Amino acid sequence: NAGVTQTPKFQVLKTGQSMTLQCAQDMNHEYMSWYRQDPGMGLRLIHYSVGAGITDQGEVPNGYNVSRSTTEDFPLRLLSAAPSQTSVYFCASRKGLYSYEQYFGPGTRLTVT
Amino acid sequence: KQEVTQIPAALSVPEGENLVLNCSFTDSAIYNLQWFRQDPGKGLTSLLLIQSSQREQTSGRLNASLDKSSGRSTLYIAASQPGDSATYLCAVLSSNTGKLIFGQGTTLQVKP
Repeated sequence: NAGVTQTPKFQVLKTGQSMTLQCAQDMNHEYMSWYRQDPGMGLRLIHYSVGAGITDQGEVPNGYNVSRSTTEDFPLRLLSAAPSQTSVYFCASRKGLYSYEQYFGPGTRLTVT
Repeated sequence: KQEVTQIPAALSVPEGENLVLNCSFTDSAIYNLQWFRQDPGKGLTSLLLIQSSQREQTSGRLNASLDKSSGRSTLYIAASQPGDSATYLCAVLSSNTGKLIFGQGTTLQVKP
């Protein structure tokens, strides 16, 4: 199993540009989520999904969109990038909403200038 | 609202020392607690998962304990090595929301 994969690893955007961060898992996990990690702020939940076709907001959802058309994929879209979205983004998955071990992807380092 | 605190924020020890990292949480309504390791510029690697009904879990030189009633967990690292240098994060899975709540982490440096 590849586990949780993310692309790209690094990205530089100009303010106002849009892009999609890709996330995929091959463990048939129902639950997937996106976090951002910032110095001094820890890991904060952006959006999550409990299964294909079902998504919900986390702690810091503004400026981001998600969709879940398949069990395997959970892309994160930045609609109009802002410097405040400069961060490291992690995708994670686990088997179900309650209980089970959570696995993380390697992260995407995003800089918005 | 569940809050997770890790103390100390940073720790430096000589190689070979046994050490304890602390994690506390405010709400005992949890399904499990997970300890992660994060190397600089890398993702999170799961170290140990303790279910709410368990008291401890062991993996090699690592031992994690859980006292749900007092809202505390410890990660014990035996005979520390320079390769153990990393940031260690604990996270609790809330049984109210299904969300994994993270502490800020403890950055460990083991000096040769």
